[in-house]
Amino acid sequence: QSVLTQPPSASGTPGQGVTISCSGSTSNIESNTVNWYQQLPGTAPKLLIHSDHQRPSGVPDRFSGSKSGTSASLAISGLQSEDEADYYCAAWDDGLNGLVFGTGTNVTVL
Amino acid sequence: ELQLVQSGAEVKKPGESLRISCKGSGYSFTSYWIIWVRQMPGKGLEWMGRIDPTDSETIYSPSFQGHVTVSIDKSISTAYLQWSSLKASDTAIYYCARQDSRGGFDPWGQGTLVTVSS
Repeated sequence: QSVLTQPPSASGTPGQGVTISCSGSTSNIESNTVNWYQQLPGTAPKLLIHSDHQRPSGVPDRFSGSKSGTSASLAISGLQSEDEADYYCAAWDDGLNGLVFGTGTNVTVL
Repeated sequence: ELQLVQSGAEVKKPGESLRISCKGSGYSFTSYWIIWVRQMPGKGLEWMGRIDPTDSETIYSPSFQGHVTVSIDKSISTAYLQWSSLKASDTAIYYCARQDSRGGFDPWGQGTLVTVSS
């Protein structure tokens, strides 16, 4: 059972924006950096955002990350059909001495 | 090209042993930790543990401690995940990934599907 909670689903029409929340605690999100991963259907996850809000080379600037206190968010602006995927947040947890993933959010482009 | 290539799909019976592999290339293998992640059918990602290729120091998730073993052969830039006695509940896709200097996991291997069934 994950200690990082995400909404199970989110959706929007092409061109719209969606925001995915990731709720944690003082031992994980508040104390450590948050990364986000995108998993397209049938493929391995891919690093989307690191260090709370940094985009790796090649990730479109439509994706942005933020963090405040014990919560983090991933925003996708200008939704495209290829954004249909599962999205996971992740952070180190000092209490568990291990990394924890969020429960995952499935994004659908209507 | 920076990549991790995993061994192929496996079908095993309960109680059997198994070792799957993850070979790194295109970078200095000993400079970055390797992590393992489980994804059960239709479920989310679970961090299993990590290994430091320089000295084979490992950290396991409490959920996996004692049930799996992570190891390294740095001479061939390969990490391993092994079970001594598989259970049906071990059926899943297992991914390896490199933990980079920013703390993120990048790149990922393509995944190894392990099916345990009598």
